[in-house]
Amino acid sequence: QQQVKQSPQSLIVQKGGISIINCAYENTAFDYFPWYQQFPGKGPALLIAIRPDVSEKKEGRFTISFNKSAKQFSLHIMDSQPGDSATYFCAASGLFGNEKLTFGTGTRLTIIP
Amino acid sequence: ETGVTQSPTHLIKTRGQQVTLRCSSQSGHNTVSWYQQALGQGPQFIFQYYREEENGRGNFPPRFSGLQFPNYSSELNVNALELDDSALYLCASSSDQGQETQYFGPGTRLLVL
Repeated sequence: QQQVKQSPQSLIVQKGGISIINCAYENTAFDYFPWYQQFPGKGPALLIAIRPDVSEKKEGRFTISFNKSAKQFSLHIMDSQPGDSATYFCAASGLFGNEKLTFGTGTRLTIIP
Repeated sequence: ETGVTQSPTHLIKTRGQQVTLRCSSQSGHNTVSWYQQALGQGPQFIFQYYREEENGRGNFPPRFSGLQFPNYSSELNVNALELDDSALYLCASSSDQGQETQYFGPGTRLLVL
């Protein structure tokens, strides 16, 4: 049973544009929501993470928006660059970030010139 | 500080065989989690080891087993390999102190023929 749903499956954005990836979860016990970036042949790398006590977290060009009542969260990449082309995964875990991570199915992002 | 390393990088086995994958955790980390990532999917949690004890298991059969050693490195063993076991196997290390981020290794690509 998939507990974290991610959309879209793939996304093409023009250089300089905003990339938006959405996730929804079912398990109300989830308390930590990281986003991972994965390049071909590499393991996932943590990009940014949020807990539900805040509605937004920004780090550089990356922003997570969180809607606890709707059980949804999204990643916004501002001023998207060709180097951002990768697969992005949302994930969720319990109280501690080192617990079991439940991942979404991934979004393949391509930034075109 | 060295990152998470995994060996081997690639492996080809035939159905019914057994395989052992290895992971060296990041310095200072005492927790190792293993994930299976099928092609085009998000990583699926197999199990976690904390201070040499299994500390949680996902929906995988008993033929998936593991070990953690006193230096916190870890092994994943899979017996009676099936075609569906073909995947990228990722290990992630983390600490129970301070930042709880899980840091992933580059993975081992297993192909079962």
